[in-house]
Amino acid sequence: QVQLVQSGAEVKKPGASVKVSCKASGYTFTSYYMHWVRQAPGQGLEWMGIINPSGGSTSYAQKFQGRVTMTRDTSTSTVYMELSSLRSEDTAVYYCAREMGTIVGDDDAFDIWGQGTMVTVSS
Amino acid sequence: DIQMTQSPSSLSASVGDRVTITCRASQGISNSLAWYQQKPGKAPKLLLYAASRLESGVPSRFSGSGSGTDYTLTISSLQPEDFATYYCQQYYSTPPWTFGQGTKVEIK
Repeated sequence: QVQLVQSGAEVKKPGASVKVSCKASGYTFTSYYMHWVRQAPGQGLEWMGIINPSGGSTSYAQKFQGRVTMTRDTSTSTVYMELSSLRSEDTAVYYCAREMGTIVGDDDAFDIWGQGTMVTVSS
Repeated sequence: DIQMTQSPSSLSASVGDRVTITCRASQGISNSLAWYQQKPGKAPKLLLYAASRLESGVPSRFSGSGSGTDYTLTISSLQPEDFATYYCQQYYSTPPWTFGQGTKVEIK
């Protein structure tokens, strides 16, 4: 079945970096955009960015420009999100989510989500 | 960026009630709107897209309507498993994809 499986929880110190993985299965990896969304404790959903798994192109939310890097490995159908210069406000659950339309279509909603990765930033 | 505003932020309802949640966009989004359900400790789940199209496997008591800037999610008869937080999202003008702040549906 179609699924996204993320890496496990992380605890990092302020100023460090974290890299979260998201492994896709059950569909053609290169045919669907992948997004990253985060959710701070008790808060709403915040879009971070998008990666095209086919060519690797990315677009990031302005808030994260310069601190976030999204990459992919087509050989393992895995996308990665690395966030640097971590601060306490980055404590959140990070989700990968597949955009339901294929990359040749219009922008669309997110139909498949990973289980989430808790990242805790604490000294 | 398009801002999405949901109302109410929370509501209390009983099993069997009809529940309506509203989402307003800061500009017209031409039905490019999705609704998600999120339960505590779980990832969001897509309920509807294109404002009114039901995702596969989602019960028919969920429905969506609207146009222009104003959209509505309706649960026709609230079930115990429907107590959750609901988010709207626009994908008309991207990036960014933007979400509403959420509506928590609680048991009365």
